[in-house]
Amino acid sequence: NAGVMQNPRHLVRRRGQEARLRCSPMKGHSHVYWYRQLPEEGLKFMVYLQKENIIDESGMPKERFSAEFPKEGPSILRIQQVVRGDSAAYFCASSLQGYNQPQHFGDGTRLSIL
Amino acid sequence: QKEVEQNSGPLSVPEGAIASLNCTYSDRVSQSFFWYRQYSGKSPELIMSIYSNGDKEDGRFTAQLNKASQYVSLLIRDSQPSDSATYLCAVIQGGSEKLVFGKGTKLTVNP
Repeated sequence: NAGVMQNPRHLVRRRGQEARLRCSPMKGHSHVYWYRQLPEEGLKFMVYLQKENIIDESGMPKERFSAEFPKEGPSILRIQQVVRGDSAAYFCASSLQGYNQPQHFGDGTRLSIL
Repeated sequence: QKEVEQNSGPLSVPEGAIASLNCTYSDRVSQSFFWYRQYSGKSPELIMSIYSNGDKEDGRFTAQLNKASQYVSLLIRDSQPSDSATYLCAVIQGGSEKLVFGKGTKLTVNP
């Protein structure tokens, strides 16, 4: 499967736990983006990364959220001390070069907080 | 925050008709525009990209862009029940790589 791969597809956490979401971009893509879709709301940009660099994190909440895209392995979106309001679908997208190129989305991770 | 506005719908058309979806955006320096289709509970699927004023056709889909009016549209010809989905207009915010999405228009094609 050459598409954007996200796992897990569904993640259930209790309040206060950590959630870790993974994303492997399409083959050959080095630009990764994370978006969040809250129930009944639109998709909102969170962060844009290239290998080993955070390029734009203007959409990330200031606390509890972090993202990385290491030299080896998938991109990780980490949410510490989750709260009910973090329940959402988290989508990862990748593009070939950035520079206004189309972004292709993975199937998403549905995060539910008990 | 730059905005993208879409009619939320729902838009209902009979099978075989033309569905017309509209979008306006506020960022005058945006250069890249996209339409995504999202089925309920699924991820956004890219169906069209457009960068220049005018029309771009791909099969049954035609995207139209008017930068002076800050307006982009999507026409779906010969609509099929399988086209029933939410259509998301997305614009890359000028000076960045972030996609700004509208809230989507829900389209229903009735057999």
